[in-house]
Amino acid sequence: GDSVTQMEGPVTLSEEAFLTINCTYTATGYPSLFWYVQYPGEGLQLLLKATKADDKGSNKGFEATYRKETTSFHLEKGSVQVSDSAVYFCALSHTGGFKTIFGAGTRLFVKA
Amino acid sequence: NAGVTQTPKFQVLKTGQSMTLQCAQDMNHNSMYWYRQDPGMGLRLIYYSASEGTTDKGEVPNGYNVSRLNKREFSLRLESAAPSQTSVYFCASSESSGGRSYNEQFFGPGTRLTVL
Repeated sequence: GDSVTQMEGPVTLSEEAFLTINCTYTATGYPSLFWYVQYPGEGLQLLLKATKADDKGSNKGFEATYRKETTSFHLEKGSVQVSDSAVYFCALSHTGGFKTIFGAGTRLFVKA
Repeated sequence: NAGVTQTPKFQVLKTGQSMTLQCAQDMNHNSMYWYRQDPGMGLRLIYYSASEGTTDKGEVPNGYNVSRLNKREFSLRLESAAPSQTSVYFCASSESSGGRSYNEQFFGPGTRLTVL
């Protein structure tokens, strides 16, 4: 079945450091890929998405590129801020489908 | 536009007690979902409702029941709570109209449940 694997955390960075959170997936066909973010005490919210191979999703300085050849969707940000401290979830869903498969989540701590 | 709302926000139960978690969305979405979140295990799907009038089991349905009351509301019931059901529960909704729908999910703020 479909699955999503993301790097274990926590990831601890200093402010203005470069961020990469790795995500790989296993799926049939051509799923849509997502990154969700969960701030402390809140529900998840969509950060960015990509719906086909080579698409780049971007939002709030975060980017991820849908790489079908490596089945990856790594999240990157050039300069993190303390306010980026959160848990990040990689996820996939099939177009027209009803379920989303989530990775286990990666906690990010950013120090001032 | 409140999005997805959940009640209660916190609840403490004793083993064997029952309760219902309420969820409502005002985005006219077709599909609704219940997840539980446990440390190190990400989100696990309990039940979902692809459209009004239908419900289906997810990954971890045992010990739970659901009701899709109407298009807006989707409740989760614990008939006899157990300590293993201590978790954070999230309700979500998505448009999921089939076809070109990409199934972006919108989440509520969660219910933190402790079963003693």
